Order: sequence, then C-alpha cells, then structure tokens
Amino acid sequence: AQKVTQAQTEISVVEKEDVTLDCVYETRDTTYYLFWYKQPPSGELVFLIRRNSFDEQNEISGRYSWNFQKSTSSFNFTITASQVVDSAVYFCALTCLDSNYQLIWGAGTKLIIKP
Amino acid sequence: EAGVTQFPSHSVIEKGQTVTLRCDPISGHDNLYWYRRVMGKEIKFLLHFVKESKQDESGMPNNRFLAERTGGTYSTLKVQPAELEDSGVYFCASSQDRGTGPTAYQETQYFGPGTRLLVL
Repeated sequence: AQKVTQAQTEISVVEKEDVTLDCVYETRDTTYYLFWYKQPPSGELVFLIRRNSFDEQNEISGRYSWNFQKSTSSFNFTITASQVVDSAVYFCALTCLDSNYQLIWGAGTKLIIKP
Repeated sequence: EAGVTQFPSHSVIEKGQTVTLRCDPISGHDNLYWYRRVMGKEIKFLLHFVKESKQDESGMPNNRFLAERTGGTYSTLKVQPAELEDSGVYFCASSQDRGTGPTAYQETQYFGPGTRLLVL
C-alpha cells in the first residue's frame, strides 16, 4: 500500500527565516509521482510542483526548493526567506499505478509565518 | 484559461436532506476526480471519471453518494440522504488525458476551490 507521512503538524517561524517541510512516502511501485500543493486560508488547493520517480534532480523556483531523495523516500520542501503570504497548509501527495493514480495525501503541515 | 470551478462554495443542510455539488473541469480535461476532507482527517479520493465513464469509484463511502458526468463535461456529486459524518470539504480536480501502459504519464491534477458542506 502507499502512504505519505508529514510528521510536522504545525510549524511557526518568524518572517525571513528559512523553513523546511518534511514529506516521507511509501510505495512499492518503481514509477511514481510526487506532488506538493498549497492550501492558503481561502481554501483552494494550489499545485506547486510535480516530481517523477525517475528524475531525482532537485528543483528551485524562486524562494521555493524541493529535495527529492529516493534513498530515504523523502521529498522535502524548503521555503527560503519566508514571508507572511507563505502562511498556508502544505500537502505532499503521491500517485502511482498501484494507487490507480489516485492521489494519496499526507495529513498536511500548517505553516505560520509571523511578521 | 479558466480553472476548475465548483458550486456551491458552501452548503449548510440538515441531516436527511439532499445536496448536489457541481464541478466544471478545465476545458479539454478528460479526467475528473472527486476528493473530500472530513474534519481532522486526510484528503481522501472518492472517484475518477474519464470523460463520461467512471474509471474508479473505489473511494465512494456508500450508496448515499452518486456521481455523474453527463456528456463528459461537468460532474455532479449528490449526497442523499446526508448524514452528519458527510460534513467536510469536497474537492474536484481535473487533468489532461494520460497515456496508457506501464509507463503511463500521470498528468497533474488541478483542483477547484472546494465546496464546504456542513450537515446539521
């Protein structure tokens, strides 16, 4: 079975600090896809990134970066120089053939950025 | 390009009543998904349409839930009769057609704003 674990329920940091959100996944499939979504206070789920299992290259997009490590089954998300607007719930998710391409979700990490 | 839209944004009903949620996917997206998040729990898959056909409805909790996708366009999710435990946020997502076979290309699912359902 597939599983996504986001052990950090809530993180609170002061603006401009760097923060890393952890995501650990489980799957027996060799081909799978990992995602991060952001849910701001308004409630919608905003797609941030997708990573394929055969591409371990890390990615940077502005202040956001993602570290994909197959050896530890982790797909961590770092926000550099955090801003108040980054406050949201962040979800990590997994999909694969074994899940019939259903998104398997982590519990989410609530990130609070204090001014 | 318009994103996924959902209607209504909020619904408050009494136990035993019927509620119908609507989702309009991104134009041209053959795949349409329903998920929900009940209070304090993780987001869970409900079902998946490919065009007008139900590809996977393994996540539907019981027969009080009925989903349709007429003509492969918008989809409705009806809850009849609603129970207290149905309260939560119902999300709809859509994605483009995926390939087939063991290396099927999984397209990103784009989500609507959700419908917040409260059953009293």
